[in-house]
Amino acid sequence: GESVGLHLPTLSVQEGDNSIINCAYSNSASDYFIWYKQESGKGPQFIIDIRSNMDKRQGQRVTVLLNKTVKHLSLQIAATQPGDSAVYFCAENINARDYKLSFGAGTTVTVRA
Amino acid sequence: NAGVMQNPRHLVRRRGQEARLRCSPMKGHSHVYWYRQLPEEGLKFMVYLQKENIIDESGMPKERFSAEFPKEGPSILRIQQVVRGDSAAYFCASSQQGRNEAFFGQGTRLTVV
Repeated sequence: GESVGLHLPTLSVQEGDNSIINCAYSNSASDYFIWYKQESGKGPQFIIDIRSNMDKRQGQRVTVLLNKTVKHLSLQIAATQPGDSAVYFCAENINARDYKLSFGAGTTVTVRA
Repeated sequence: NAGVMQNPRHLVRRRGQEARLRCSPMKGHSHVYWYRQLPEEGLKFMVYLQKENIIDESGMPKERFSAEFPKEGPSILRIQQVVRGDSAAYFCASSQQGRNEAFFGQGTRLTVV
């Protein structure tokens, strides 16, 4: 499953398939980007980050891609599992001195069994 | 090592009352960030504090809202004379130093009736 356009509020994906969540960020000067997962009633949980001097970074079952030319970020989740159901936010760090973050609107991912 | 602790988890206030939200950072962390999340939206930065100092309050409403992080004790976000529009989830995050990863608490859900 894939969310298209700048951001699609919901993404439904079959268990076992790969998920792609897209995000457009706003500030061309941002140099640090993070993907967070937020489950219902909980705080944001760090998934993976990437700095602007990279265009790809891989973690366990997740990959983040950064395209600075079009200010676009994506999160790929391999072999999506029911536990991946959550809201996913991209965030950009717009100040090199601190951890002040600007969050996107979020994409709700629902995994179908 | 306990994570970021926020209390109360849920807070109900009548219009015109005061709301006090508390955030105890992780052990050894001296930087605290407060964010507000309206229903089905991303988190919005409010304020960044170090012990006894407000570093950046650019996201704080000009009236009724204040924050502190004393030398001893938790950080406090105070909302005076609450209105229905203040109903939201308020999250804090803490970090060791300015640019180190910040960890989020579970949030306080404020409901104004």
